[in-house]
Amino acid sequence: GNSVTQMEGPVTLSEEAFLTINCTYTATGYPSLFWYVQYPGEGLQLLLKATKADDKGSNKGFEATYRKETTSFHLEKGSVQVSDSAVYFCALSDGSGYSTLTFGKGTMLLVSP
Amino acid sequence: DVKVTQSSRYLVKRTGEKVFLECVQDMDHENMFWYRQDPGLGLRLIYFSYDVKMKEKGDIPEGYSVSREKKERFSLILESASTNQTSMYLCASSVPPHIEQYFGPGTRLTVT
Repeated sequence: GNSVTQMEGPVTLSEEAFLTINCTYTATGYPSLFWYVQYPGEGLQLLLKATKADDKGSNKGFEATYRKETTSFHLEKGSVQVSDSAVYFCALSDGSGYSTLTFGKGTMLLVSP
Repeated sequence: DVKVTQSSRYLVKRTGEKVFLECVQDMDHENMFWYRQDPGLGLRLIYFSYDVKMKEKGDIPEGYSVSREKKERFSLILESASTNQTSMYLCASSVPPHIEQYFGPGTRLTVT
């Protein structure tokens, strides 16, 4: 079956530091990949997505590249802000059936001033 | 703008009670989903619906049922609440062929 593995958190960084959150996946076929973000007390919001190999998704300074050869979709940001403190979820959809999403367990990011 | 709303942000119920969690979306989306979110476990799919009166079991349907009588509304029902159903419940919707899901703010349910 499908699965998503994320690095465990919390990840603690100082403001303006470089961020990487690792995500690897196992899936049949050619999945689409997503990063969602959950700010404290809120639901999940789509951050970025990539639908085929070598695609790069980007939004709000965050980027992730769909690497089929390493089955990875690592999230990066060059300079984090305190307001980026949240939980980040990597997810995939293998496009079969009703296109449900399989989520990783989430990685908490804490950014200090 | 996309909007998914859930009936309560916080709910406290007693063991054995029947609990209804309501979700409404205003985007005319065909697909709707219920997840529960627990620390260290991420999001797990309970049920989903791809059309009115249609439903499919997700990964953890035991102890839950759902109802979708209208396209915009998807209800999660705990027939007899138990303490192990204390969790954050998240509703989401999507519209084919797009895969991305739009989430509500969540309901934090405590069963005592």
